[in-house]
Amino acid sequence: DAGVIQSPRHEVTEMGQEVTLRCKPISGHDYLFWYRQTMMRGLELLIYFNNNVPIDDSGMPEDRFSAKMPNASFSTLKIQPSEPRDSAVYFCASSRTGRTEKLFFGSGTQLSVL
Amino acid sequence: AQSVTQLDSQVPVFEEAPVELRCNYSSSVSVYLFWYVQYPNQGLQLLLKYLSGSTLVKGINGFEAEFNKSQTSFHLRKPSVHISDTAEYFCAVSDQAGSTLGRLYFGRGTQLTVWP
Repeated sequence: DAGVIQSPRHEVTEMGQEVTLRCKPISGHDYLFWYRQTMMRGLELLIYFNNNVPIDDSGMPEDRFSAKMPNASFSTLKIQPSEPRDSAVYFCASSRTGRTEKLFFGSGTQLSVL
Repeated sequence: AQSVTQLDSQVPVFEEAPVELRCNYSSSVSVYLFWYVQYPNQGLQLLLKYLSGSTLVKGINGFEAEFNKSQTSFHLRKPSVHISDTAEYFCAVSDQAGSTLGRLYFGRGTQLTVWP
């Protein structure tokens, strides 16, 4: 099992540009989560999906952020336009049941917006 | 919503010494409790979890945690640490029931640094 795969590992972009982060969850996992980690706010849940359907997007900062899960093996998190305050590590995680089962985290995408 | 407080942001300790990382939570419902570890430039990995039953939970790498319902705490302990335990540790909770299925609330993390 390859685990949760995120791409790219690092992304450097300029303010105002569109950024797309990608995630492939573990096969058979029904839940997919997007987290953001910053020094100031720690780990924040942005959005999560169950069976490809967004369940809770209350953590999405603003309309500049959007997430999709077109199928069970792929999800994207898009920021348009990006701002310097979006600089953070973005983690994708997946789990089988979402409540008691552990989350499997990807290695994260380090985003730097200049 | 739940909240998780990790009382120490940094814990320095010498190798082979015991360590305790503290975690308190607040919740109006019953919860499940977790400890995750994050090594540099990696995602989080599960150390251990409490779902029900015995309040003392053993995890990987010699770590254990004790659930104390009256004190709403879930402190992580290890009797003798190694340099390889240097990492950031996160306490997390999730609701046992309700509409927040699948949602984990994380603490801010505790950086454990083990010195030789």
